[in-house]
Amino acid sequence: DVKVTQSSRYLVKRTGEKVFLECVQDMDHENMFWYRQDPGLGLRLIYFSYDVKMKEKGDIPEGYSVSREKKERFSLILESASTNQTSMYLCASSLVGGKQTQYFGPGTRLLVL
Amino acid sequence: TQLLEQSPQFLSIQEGENLTVYCNSSSVFSSLQWYRQEPGEGPVLLVTVVTGGEVKKLKRLTFQFGDARKDSSLHITAAQPGDTGLYLCADFSSNTGKLIFGQGTTLQVKP
Repeated sequence: DVKVTQSSRYLVKRTGEKVFLECVQDMDHENMFWYRQDPGLGLRLIYFSYDVKMKEKGDIPEGYSVSREKKERFSLILESASTNQTSMYLCASSLVGGKQTQYFGPGTRLLVL
Repeated sequence: TQLLEQSPQFLSIQEGENLTVYCNSSSVFSSLQWYRQEPGEGPVLLVTVVTGGEVKKLKRLTFQFGDARKDSSLHITAAQPGDTGLYLCADFSSNTGKLIFGQGTTLQVKP
């Protein structure tokens, strides 16, 4: 069974804190993605990576950075959390190539106070 | 930029009823996907439709792709509480190759 896991299901942080969200996949997928999900807005792509140490900005990268040191692990970093980053964060992975199925983790619900 | 509009946004029905949800695109679909996201979980792919006029069935779920490839529908027959969740349509952008999501339809099926 394919598996994408995320380090936390729920997180509560204070404004200004540095936040790390981790994602691990066991399918040897090349591509990994970070989305945020907000009511009425669907999923919006923050960053993605198509190889180790490679990253590309998605549609809403401001306020976020990412790290991919190993193929199976993709981290999302909020350098200085703000209240407007309160959201559900979803990680996904897929094989390389166009139009591949993306497999999602269960999500991390982040609350920034 | 391609926009995907889903309707209705919310739907609350009784067990056993039928329902249809819709996904419309501002431009021709490249490769439309339907996902279901159960409460507390990530989205899971249900089906991919590519060809205009295509119809796919998955047990009680019927997916239809418009002839012009700009609209799609998902019909559920005899809904069950287990069908409760957020239904998302998504398409691969022909410009960027990335997935673009609609805002989703939240379905609640009451026993």
